[in-house]
Amino acid sequence: NAGVTQTPKFRVLKTGQSMTLLCAQDMNHEYMYWYRQDPGMGLRLIHYSVGEGTTAKGEVPDGYNVSRLKKQNFLLGLESAAPSQTSVYFCASSYPRVVVTEAFFGQGTRLTVV
Amino acid sequence: AQSVTQLGSHVSVSEGALVLLRCNYSSSVPPYLFWYVQYPNQGLQLLLKYTSAATLVKGINGFEAEFKKSETSFHLTKPSAHMSDAAEYFCAVSEQRRSSASKIIFGSGTRLSIRP
Repeated sequence: NAGVTQTPKFRVLKTGQSMTLLCAQDMNHEYMYWYRQDPGMGLRLIHYSVGEGTTAKGEVPDGYNVSRLKKQNFLLGLESAAPSQTSVYFCASSYPRVVVTEAFFGQGTRLTVV
Repeated sequence: AQSVTQLGSHVSVSEGALVLLRCNYSSSVPPYLFWYVQYPNQGLQLLLKYTSAATLVKGINGFEAEFKKSETSFHLTKPSAHMSDAAEYFCAVSEQRRSSASKIIFGSGTRLSIRP
């Protein structure tokens, strides 16, 4: 039972390069999230999705784009990477009903932009 | 919109002492509340959650939290700290809606250190 899987686990980018982070979940969850984690700032929500084909902005969406073409996948794109996007990125998913409403997390992607 | 404030970015206690990590929330509707733990270089793991069934919630590893609506708080406690409890702890909130929950928002985290 894989849960939430993030690809890749580590990446180094040069300023201006683009890349896509992939998140896949096998729990048939409706909601999916992308967070970034920076020291002293906790987890900040970048974008999220409440279902296939839908996306919404979170707290810090600038510089990122997302797509949810399939229910099990949620992609995070950086079109032109900047050093300020150096961070650890976490994907999560949840099934937003009363009984099972918490988020399940992937292991994270450590991104360095030089 | 919902939000969470964690008081104290770093808490240090002696092994065997009481652990108290503070969390206050803001929500315009009844909230769901969560505590997560993150060990170094790992993802987040759910400790416990409040979904309005009971105000005192027991979680894994001996942790518990009490929902206090009048104080808009959801503090995390453990009677006796263990060295293995050293980690970062996050409080999170989502809002109850008619048929589902809203997005989940996290606090800034509290790093717990345990002194021998």
